[in-house]
Amino acid sequence: GAGVSQTPSNKVTEKGKYVELRCDPISGHTALYWYRQSLGQGPEFLIYFQGTGAADDSGLPNDRFFAVRPEGSVSTLKIQRTERGDSAVYLCASSLKPGPYEQYFGPGTRLTVT
Amino acid sequence: GESVGLHLPTLSVQEGDNSIINCAYSNSASDYFIWYKQESGKGPQFIIDIRSNMDKRQGQRVTVLLNKTVKHLSLQIAATQPGDSAVYFCAESFNTGGFKTIFGAGTRLFVKA
Repeated sequence: GAGVSQTPSNKVTEKGKYVELRCDPISGHTALYWYRQSLGQGPEFLIYFQGTGAADDSGLPNDRFFAVRPEGSVSTLKIQRTERGDSAVYLCASSLKPGPYEQYFGPGTRLTVT
Repeated sequence: GESVGLHLPTLSVQEGDNSIINCAYSNSASDYFIWYKQESGKGPQFIIDIRSNMDKRQGQRVTVLLNKTVKHLSLQIAATQPGDSAVYFCAESFNTGGFKTIFGAGTRLFVKA
């Protein structure tokens, strides 16, 4: 069956530009997570959705980062006024239901800010 | 978990030997723990999980041990194979109204044929 997909797989943008990263979770999964992973480090939690609402957005680094999940399925992570420090792999994961359950990860979007 | 930057702790084992990867977690309120495997260019892949009311759980060739007293988690891989070469992350999860998951820094496992 189809797993979690993320688009684009790679994104190069100039400093100051706006980017959107998309995540398609596994069909029927109600929980969706975004993480950021820098080279040589573990994934860093950004935000967690339960259905359409953000249940925990405490990991978003600042107000340039925003994520939506309007219909409780596809999610978009939006980054305004990108900075070179935003360069990383952005990972999305979904799980069947909220709570302590297995998360299935997508392959990630590699964002490079020049 | 504490970041180790570009230099991940590394474990090198001979094919067929058993591997033990250790992890210290930070939050006493964590009630769910997971081990993930990550190969180059891919997202993390679930290996095994354990809830805080258990101290041991076994899967196929893998065992997770949880010691809540010292906040320590370990992953044991039996009869390690070349395909086990990857970076392994432990993660802790706790209820914040949502369910926040915090990953450790990772250990790179090399399996020598």
